[in-house]
Amino acid sequence: GQQLNQSPQSMFIQEGEDVSMNCTSSSIFNTWLWYKQEPGEGPVLLIALYKAGELTSNGRLTAQFGITRKDSFLNISASIPSDVGIYFCAGQLRYGQNFVFGPGTRLSVLP
Amino acid sequence: ETGVTQSPTHLIKTRGQQVTLRCSSQSGHNTVSWYQQALGQGPQFIFQYYREEENGRGNFPPRFSGLQFPNYSSELNVNALELDDSALYLCASSSRASGRLRSYEQYFGPGTRLTVT
Repeated sequence: GQQLNQSPQSMFIQEGEDVSMNCTSSSIFNTWLWYKQEPGEGPVLLIALYKAGELTSNGRLTAQFGITRKDSFLNISASIPSDVGIYFCAGQLRYGQNFVFGPGTRLSVLP
Repeated sequence: ETGVTQSPTHLIKTRGQQVTLRCSSQSGHNTVSWYQQALGQGPQFIFQYYREEENGRGNFPPRFSGLQFPNYSSELNVNALELDDSALYLCASSSRASGRLRSYEQYFGPGTRLTVT
């Protein structure tokens, strides 16, 4: 089946630092979603991307749909303690089909 | 606007038993997808229901089955439970309106934690 890879697997950063993570695939996707999941909760949708090259922001979060349509990137600026959690990317091959999820990037923010 | 809700929150079952998990979709949403999330992994797609019919299925055996009701709520049934079925089961809803890209965005419920002993 389709697989997504996320890197880094985990990261420890100081409060106030910027964060970059990415998601890659061998397949071309037409939709990318980025989610954040905290312990004991379901994933929360952060950003949705629909066009190659698209750059979308949601507060301190910015995500980009890679030009090759095989990757996506998420950046968090000026990290704060509440950014702690696991960030998942999800790709959709065709509209209406299921989403394939990556294994996640675990973010820890040190005060 | 009411978000996605799931019940029960936690459940403990014995191997071989059957379980039913429930999901109420977000108001205005007509599509429900179910995912299994094992500890430390990303969600894995089980199946999707649209207009009360299964509309896509992941790599899960037939003992995983589901239903969608006219009010768009949904059930996930698992028969002959195995130890490996222990996981967080997530339900996600979307509105799937033709021609509207953002209708495919999926919103998740809090999940049901199933433990099989």
